[in-house]
Amino acid sequence: QVQLVQSGAEVKEPGASVKVFCKASGYTFTNYVIHWVRQAPGQSLEWMGWFNVGNGNIKYSQRFKGRVTITTDTSASTAYMDLSSLRSEDTAVYYCATEESYYYHFWGQGTLVTVSS
Amino acid sequence: QSALTQPASVSGSPGQSITISCTGTSSDVGNYNLVSWYQHYPGKAPTLIIYDVTKRPSGVSNRFSGSKSGNTASLTISGLQAEDEADYYCCSYAGDYTWVFGGGTKVTVL
Repeated sequence: QVQLVQSGAEVKEPGASVKVFCKASGYTFTNYVIHWVRQAPGQSLEWMGWFNVGNGNIKYSQRFKGRVTITTDTSASTAYMDLSSLRSEDTAVYYCATEESYYYHFWGQGTLVTVSS
Repeated sequence: QSALTQPASVSGSPGQSITISCTGTSSDVGNYNLVSWYQHYPGKAPTLIIYDVTKRPSGVSNRFSGSKSGNTASLTISGLQAEDEADYYCCSYAGDYTWVFGGGTKVTVL
């Protein structure tokens, strides 16, 4: 069955970068677009961007443009989300999810990123 | 884009029906039949319960149903059960390969 397994929790200082990975299994990795969504404490889900594993196209939310980079390693069936210039407001649970025709069918378990000095 | 507007909380007694609204604009909800709904238990990953406004994935209870009118989509949970107590989020395609989520609704079963 489809599984998305994400990397473990991270604690970072303000100004640093964090890289979260999302390892996929149970399907052909190039078949789905991978999105990243985050949820800050007490807040709603927030769309960050996507990477089309099949053709390499990428789109980022304007809110994160310039700070977020999504990449993949198809040989490892793994997607990565790199967020730079971290601030306290970036403390959140970050999720990867597969997009199947404009909706998110499978989700990773989430990765808590805490930004604190 | 701005988040879609959902009521912060909705409650109901077991067996009752409740409806959660999700209001967007003519650029997102009103322009595409691409609204999905997710059930989210704290500490867990969200799960898809409705897609393309009205469709239910295999395995999702038929107590969940979706609809849309103009710029507002709705999720109805009928025959409310204790296990339905969770947060619910709507999500819409917003054009130009972007997506937008709702603010989330906490459902309480009284």
